[in-house]
Amino acid sequence: RKEVEQDPGPFNVPEGATVAFNCTYSNSASQSFFWYRQDCRKEPKLLMSVYSSGNEDGRFTAQLNRASQYISLLIRDSKLSDSATYLCVVNEDTGFQKLVFGTGTRLLVSP
Amino acid sequence: EADIYQTPRYLVIGTGKKITLECSQTMGHDKMYWYQQDPGMELHLIHYSYGVNSTEKGDLSSESTVSRIRTEHFPLTLESARPSHTSQYLCASSEQRYSYEQYFGPGTRLTVT
Repeated sequence: RKEVEQDPGPFNVPEGATVAFNCTYSNSASQSFFWYRQDCRKEPKLLMSVYSSGNEDGRFTAQLNRASQYISLLIRDSKLSDSATYLCVVNEDTGFQKLVFGTGTRLLVSP
Repeated sequence: EADIYQTPRYLVIGTGKKITLECSQTMGHDKMYWYQQDPGMELHLIHYSYGVNSTEKGDLSSESTVSRIRTEHFPLTLESARPSHTSQYLCASSEQRYSYEQYFGPGTRLTVT
């Protein structure tokens, strides 16, 4: 079983749509959680952190459910520029603070 | 924009050759990392470093080696390239305190024929 599991998609949505991605993680000792964005053939970049209380950054909302070991990302009013792969990332407190990456969920926003 | 650089960006090389993938960062970050990523797959940590003269192997077994003689430089070497080494190699760095925010270089796409 993978440590971080995501639906690979692709999710095909029209501009303006709201789309949600989910992610589950297996290590209950995981300390912190993030969403990274990776454009096609580019490097990953930090999109936002995920807190238990939920957090919002513009059109993006991230939620964490520790009891269910579940993380979500909601994108409202999708733009063409949101087309990318969204990586769910878990920080395991192993002393080194290792990041474990999911395979990513691919989003395609069409006009 | 992050100041982390990788060269070469693309490399096609024959089996048995020795190769070094370069990675440099100008942010003064103590922590540096090498990841391997195949198309459509997750990133796998192959090496990391806490700082100068500190290197450790990551989760994914790799025949590559690394060195960290200077803070800004973290090269990866393959003594004898094989077709199974064909992949994308991504270098990253982070501050000591904020390890979760890793800044990635553009990657080296390696093909071994």
